[in-house]
Amino acid sequence: AQKITQTQPGMFVQEKEAVTLDCTYDTSDPSYGLFWYKQPSSGEMIFLIYQGSYDQQNATEGRYSLNFQKARKSANLVISASQLGDSAMYFCAMRESPGSGTYKYIFGTGTRLKVLA
Amino acid sequence: NAGVTQTPKFRVLKTGQSMTLLCAQDMNHEYMYWYRQDPGMGLRLIHYSVGEGTTAKGEVPDGYNVSRLKKQNFLLGLESAAPSQTSVYFCASSSHRTGGRETQYFGPGTRLLVL
Repeated sequence: AQKITQTQPGMFVQEKEAVTLDCTYDTSDPSYGLFWYKQPSSGEMIFLIYQGSYDQQNATEGRYSLNFQKARKSANLVISASQLGDSAMYFCAMRESPGSGTYKYIFGTGTRLKVLA
Repeated sequence: NAGVTQTPKFRVLKTGQSMTLLCAQDMNHEYMYWYRQDPGMGLRLIHYSVGEGTTAKGEVPDGYNVSRLKKQNFLLGLESAAPSQTSVYFCASSSHRTGGRETQYFGPGTRLLVL
């Protein structure tokens, strides 16, 4: 079963508008972390934002915010005031702790965002 | 401070050949990971290590071996390359200090083509 689901293979947004990228997750671990990464065409993975399962408030980092709805198991990324440089692939990931002090990360299949001028 | 580096950046192999991908990190991180990225599949975990001398299997370990003889290095080996192993390989490292906010830091990737 998919543990991280990103249902939008591709998205378009007009420059300066906001866009929401969807992510749902599945875990029975009470302690987990949720991450978003950006992968531009150059290929590197860039960390954007983190949300812990016990965090009471939604995470924000500049123009990025994470809409965390724990009961619905969703962790959507909101990018405000989109810029042309935001065009990239975006990955949602979950860090689980399977036990014995280990940590594993599971990635979604990604959403390709294109910002239009 | 170079972060996470990967060697080589690009390689072409023939079916049946072997090779080793090297990942090095200078952040004194305990955890290191190898992923492969294929179109439409996201990143899939191959093997990981929680410390020097330890390794564990991830989601897609078949056809790969790893070693972590030094804390800063994590090697990924392909003993007999197959076309299905054509992919982009990413190494990552992390520490898990109290608080849990630590992210993974990724290398630039190695593009491998198996003919």
